Amino acid sequence: AQKVTQAQTEISVVEKEDVTLDCVYETRDTTYYLFWYKQPPSGELVFLIRRNSFDEQNEISGRYSWNFQKSTSSFNFTITASQVVDSAVYFCALSGSGNQFYFGTGTSLTVIP
Amino acid sequence: DTEVTQTPKHLVMGMTNKKSLKCEQHMGHRAMYWYKQKAKKPPELMFVYSYEKLSINESVPSRFSPECPNSSLLNLHLHALQPEDSALYLCASSQVPRGYEQYFGPGTRLTVT
Repeated sequence: AQKVTQAQTEISVVEKEDVTLDCVYETRDTTYYLFWYKQPPSGELVFLIRRNSFDEQNEISGRYSWNFQKSTSSFNFTITASQVVDSAVYFCALSGSGNQFYFGTGTSLTVIP
Repeated sequence: DTEVTQTPKHLVMGMTNKKSLKCEQHMGHRAMYWYKQKAKKPPELMFVYSYEKLSINESVPSRFSPECPNSSLLNLHLHALQPEDSALYLCASSQVPRGYEQYFGPGTRLTVT
């Protein structure tokens, strides 16, 4: 069975604070892929990152960074020096041996100016 | 260019109407998807087209009928919908069906009256 858990339903931070969004996954596949998407109030899902199960290197892209740890089945996302434009719902997703994406329930992030 | 376009942006229809949602991508992607998203929920997969053939139908009621006329186009035909079908309908595409990120369109916000 494939499952993604995002335990944080809503998070509020003050602008310029760092924030980490948690993602824990379950899968029996040995090859799998993890993704993060951002959905701003406009509604469009924006792709942020893809990771495959053989690549545990952390990644940094500007103010965004991702920490993939197979030992804890986690793929956490950190935003450094948050900005109001970061306010959105963030989804973590898993793709395994099939064609489907399994989305977590999402974390709604509000950055307060 | 990672653009998926969807028309219309908004649609209001009565329960006896027939309408169609359209989706287009020109990235050469061979997998296309329809999702339904209710407010404050993750996207729910409805259909997957892989190399222009329907590969997944997630037990969607027959009042939703997908069509893939060619590798760039995806339609969703709607007939005799219910008010509970009101939602954001998202189209997505990916390079191939497995392991690659999906690029989403802006969605069609459907209201059934």
